[in-house]
Amino acid sequence: DIQMTQSPSTLSASVGDRVTITCRASQGIGMWLAWYQQKPGKVPNLLIYQASILESGAPSRFSGSGSGTDFTLTISSLQPDDFATYYCQQYNTYFMWRFGQGTKVEIK
Amino acid sequence: QLQLHESGAGLVKPSETLSLTCTVSGVSISSSLYFWGWIRQPPGKGLEWIGGLSSSGRTYYEPSLESRVSLSVDTSKNQFSLNLTSVTAADTAVYYCARALPDFGPYDVWGQGTPVTVSS
Repeated sequence: DIQMTQSPSTLSASVGDRVTITCRASQGIGMWLAWYQQKPGKVPNLLIYQASILESGAPSRFSGSGSGTDFTLTISSLQPDDFATYYCQQYNTYFMWRFGQGTKVEIK
Repeated sequence: QLQLHESGAGLVKPSETLSLTCTVSGVSISSSLYFWGWIRQPPGKGLEWIGGLSSSGRTYYEPSLESRVSLSVDTSKNQFSLNLTSVTAADTAVYYCARALPDFGPYDVWGQGTPVTVSS
């Protein structure tokens, strides 16, 4: 089975910081990777798909990169609204949609 | 505007079957190329994919749950459903239904989620 591993599990940062979250797949998934943001008590929100395509309405400070097994989500300048948990997800491979365990971005 | 809404029992006894339905409005399940799925989130934990199905009813399951899960679609009611058998406390979670973009895409529209507690 394919496994998705995110790092770090928790990240402390300040407003204005550049933040990078990593997601690694145990097997190659091409560019079939999405990133979601979830705030406490809220529904997950799709930010990026196909590794680097910004979903409509998502702020341009979010960007994604990678292919194969290694991927990153970058927030260029962290804003107060960005403190949340972020999940990667592989799709369109192996007939399943697996999530990473999540990365919580906290206020430093 | 596309909306998804989960419904079903919020309290299920151990060893019984959890049954949830997702009602879709704003698009016809049968006429679309989209996939549909169920995801859950135990209290304080991350997202776990349960399974997905196409509008034609082809199903895909998380291997660790496959022996207990079944998904189905009712195109006449524009709904799809989840049954999870032999539940335990570990199945306590918020359950979400969601739409996946065509060709096994990511989940772009989610329901609000429904909490389910497994307890006697």
